[in-house]
Amino acid sequence: GQQVMQIPQYQHVQEGEDFTTYCNSSTTLSNIQWYKQRPGGHPVFLIQLVKSGEVKKQKRLTFQFGEAKKNSSLHITATQTTDVGTYFCAGNDYKLSFGAGTTVTVRA
Amino acid sequence: EADIYQTPRYLVIGTGKKITLECSQTMGHDKMYWYQQDPGMELHLIHYSYGVNSTEKGDLSSESTVSRIRTEHFPLTLESARPSHTSQYLCASSEGRGREQFFGPGTRLTVL
Repeated sequence: GQQVMQIPQYQHVQEGEDFTTYCNSSTTLSNIQWYKQRPGGHPVFLIQLVKSGEVKKQKRLTFQFGEAKKNSSLHITATQTTDVGTYFCAGNDYKLSFGAGTTVTVRA
Repeated sequence: EADIYQTPRYLVIGTGKKITLECSQTMGHDKMYWYQQDPGMELHLIHYSYGVNSTEKGDLSSESTVSRIRTEHFPLTLESARPSHTSQYLCASSEGRGREQFFGPGTRLTVL
């Protein structure tokens, strides 16, 4: 069945630095979604990527969908304390499957 | 802000009790989901529904049951709570299969 792997599981970042989290699927996806869950909160939808090689930006966040539509990445530039939380990718094949998430902590 | 509600937000209950976690959405979504999530861990789909009178088990086996008698309402029931059921339960809905999911605030369940 469809599996979505996400790395790294934890990311400790110095404030102001950049980092990237990666999402890989065992199958070709029709689309991929990204969610953010703040500590103590619930997942909130960030973005959906549909096209092969698609790149979308939201302020300091850059989302990319691989050419083969089997992987995706989220790159955050100039990390701020507001970026703290867990970022989940969710791959859509015949159903939506969530990755295990990357939990981000920020050192001020 | 999405219009999806869960009650109670927090529940502490003794072993053997029957509980029902409520989830309601006002967006008219056909698709609804229940996830179980331990603190800091991944989301596990335990039940989903694609419409009224339609319910399916998710990827993670669960002793809970669900019902979908009305579009807006998707309650989850545990007939006999056990400490192993201690977790956060998140309800979500979407307009269609594979579309973005809107999550409720969750119910944090503790079974003593």
